[in-house]
Formats: sequence, C-alpha cells, structure tokens
Amino acid sequence: GAVVSQHPSWVICKSGTSVKIECRSLDFQATTMFWYRQFPKQSLMLMATSNEGSKATYEQGVEKDKFLINHASLTLSTLTVTSAHPEDSSFYICSASPSGRRGTQYFGPGTRLLVL
Amino acid sequence: KQEVTQIPAALSVPEGENLVLNCSFTDSAIYNLQWFRQDPGKGLTSLLLIQSSQREQTSGRLNASLDKSSGRSTLYIAASQPGDSATYLCAVESGGGADGLTFGKGTHLIIQP
Repeated sequence: GAVVSQHPSWVICKSGTSVKIECRSLDFQATTMFWYRQFPKQSLMLMATSNEGSKATYEQGVEKDKFLINHASLTLSTLTVTSAHPEDSSFYICSASPSGRRGTQYFGPGTRLLVL
Repeated sequence: KQEVTQIPAALSVPEGENLVLNCSFTDSAIYNLQWFRQDPGKGLTSLLLIQSSQREQTSGRLNASLDKSSGRSTLYIAASQPGDSATYLCAVESGGGADGLTFGKGTHLIIQP
C-alpha cells in the first residue's frame, strides 16, 4: 500500500512550452501533497505545499505564476511548468501525506524534465 | 529557517565495514527525522523514520539515532555490502506534522567489493 505515482517519468520539451506533471496517490487519499525539485548533485528543495481544494503555498523564491499547482481531488495534484526554460531542467518529485496521518509522506518516483 | 547538514559528503569503504553517517539540524523543534536512500537517477526510498519523542529506530542492518536537543542524528550501517552503495539523505519535518521536509545534501556512499 501507500503508492504514489508520477506521470510522465521523463519529458523533453522545447523552450517556451508548458509541461504538466501529475502526482497521484493510488491507494490512499491525500489532503496534502508536496512538490520538490532536485538539481544535479544537489539535494531536494521544497517548492510548494498543495492542499486539496485550496491554493498552494509556495516557498520563498519559487514563482507561483511559473509553477502552477492544482490539487483538485484527494488523489491528484498537478504541477505545470509554464513557459519552460533550460534552467527549469531538473528532477521533480512529489510526495503525498495520507489524510489524518500527520508526519507521514510517501514519495513518487520523480519526473525528469529536460528543456532544450 | 531550518538547515540540515550531512557529513561526510562522500564516503568509500571496503565491503564488510560498519559505518556511520552524520546529520545535524539547526532548529531542534522538529516533528520527525527521516533517512532516505536515493539511487542514481531514481526517486527516494524511505529507510527509517524517527519521531521527535523517540531516540532510535532499527531496520535490519540499519540503526538511526536521534538526539533532538543537540540537533543530531546518525545512521549506522552494519556489515556494509556493495548493494548499499547509494546517496543517503537526511530530512526533518519542522512543523506540526503537516509541513514539507528539509533535506540535507546527502552522503554519497560507495561500498567497494
């Protein structure tokens, strides 16, 4: 149990296009989901906290208009990288916290984005 | 702002050795601390989670300790194997159980056959 999936697992796109990444909790409901970014040889950095039915909370330095987050259901959060540029190339990982289980996060396998 | 530091950044040891990875955090008001393993180009595998009220957790050859007051945790790996080669990440949750994690930069471990 407690499986989190991400789609796609990798994507290559041209500069200026938008890319949507999905994060799904397959066998549990998640009121809260988190989006992290990892640059090569760096650690994971929290980008934003996504709460079902409300606006996401972004960390300092993360542009909310560039990284659009939608958490429309208890099993799905999406991250859209708008007008992607090469510097947005990174490994994006989501995690989901089961409803009613504070302090527990299950991580997805990650999505590797390459912007040409 | 919480900061997590891991020492050493890299470690290479012969197979069979016992080893210790260190993690320190600046704000002792944590909810929990977690150790993860990350293989190259892959996602995270959770190894051990220690609640703030606990002092250690064990799973197989792995033992993690937590000293919240001093802001330190150690991950002990017994009888290391080549399959243990990976990057080990330490992460803390500083909120009330509903916040994102703050990660260290990791220790890149190589176990030589």
